[in-house]
Amino acid sequence: DGGITQSPKYLFRKEGQNVTLSCEQNLNHDAMYWYRQDPGQGLRLIYYSQIVNDFQKGDIAEGYSVSREKKESFPLTVTSAQKNPTAFYLCASSMRGQNWVGELFFGEGSRLTVL
Amino acid sequence: KNQVEQSPQSLIILEGKNCTLQCNYTVSPFSNLRWYKQDTGRGPVSLTIMTFSENTKSNGRYTATLDADTKQSSLHITASQLSDSASYICVVSPSGGYNKLIFGAGTRLAVHP
Repeated sequence: DGGITQSPKYLFRKEGQNVTLSCEQNLNHDAMYWYRQDPGQGLRLIYYSQIVNDFQKGDIAEGYSVSREKKESFPLTVTSAQKNPTAFYLCASSMRGQNWVGELFFGEGSRLTVL
Repeated sequence: KNQVEQSPQSLIILEGKNCTLQCNYTVSPFSNLRWYKQDTGRGPVSLTIMTFSENTKSNGRYTATLDADTKQSSLHITASQLSDSASYICVVSPSGGYNKLIFGAGTRLAVHP
């Protein structure tokens, strides 16, 4: 079945360590996104990519990095520079277009906890 | 500042009852409004998408309404089921801003037997 796969589901990190969250989609979507979800807040955009080998910073990109070497894959690295990384991370994908009213599909999320 | 406010923050209802969740927004210019359902520890799943010209849209027992003049939307759940227990998120998209969705904090609904 088509969809978005995120891994791992749960991840624990010691302070000072970098970790990479995986996101793979088989929906043939051009655009992919990473969001962060914290309790009591709306989702916030970390990075997004409209096409292979191109990506843009979102609202809270500091302390994070991404790559888009393949259309299907958009991994997110949480670096040691991110001061408060404990959160629920969601990857999403969509078709792209100027006046976009299409669906935004989400993965099942990855919960990162810093020990 | 573009904002999306949802109310109530949380709600408890008995199985079989109806409920209505509210979403007010200040996003301009406006393109479309979406409602998502998010089960605990899972990713959000789309319920409805409405453009500014649509007043109502249904998806099974879920009916969303939109008043673009007052910038208000509601999600009505009919004959609630235990499986409706989840967070419901209102998302507003500015015109031409598919990468600039603005998410509300959600309403957490608990349906009790």
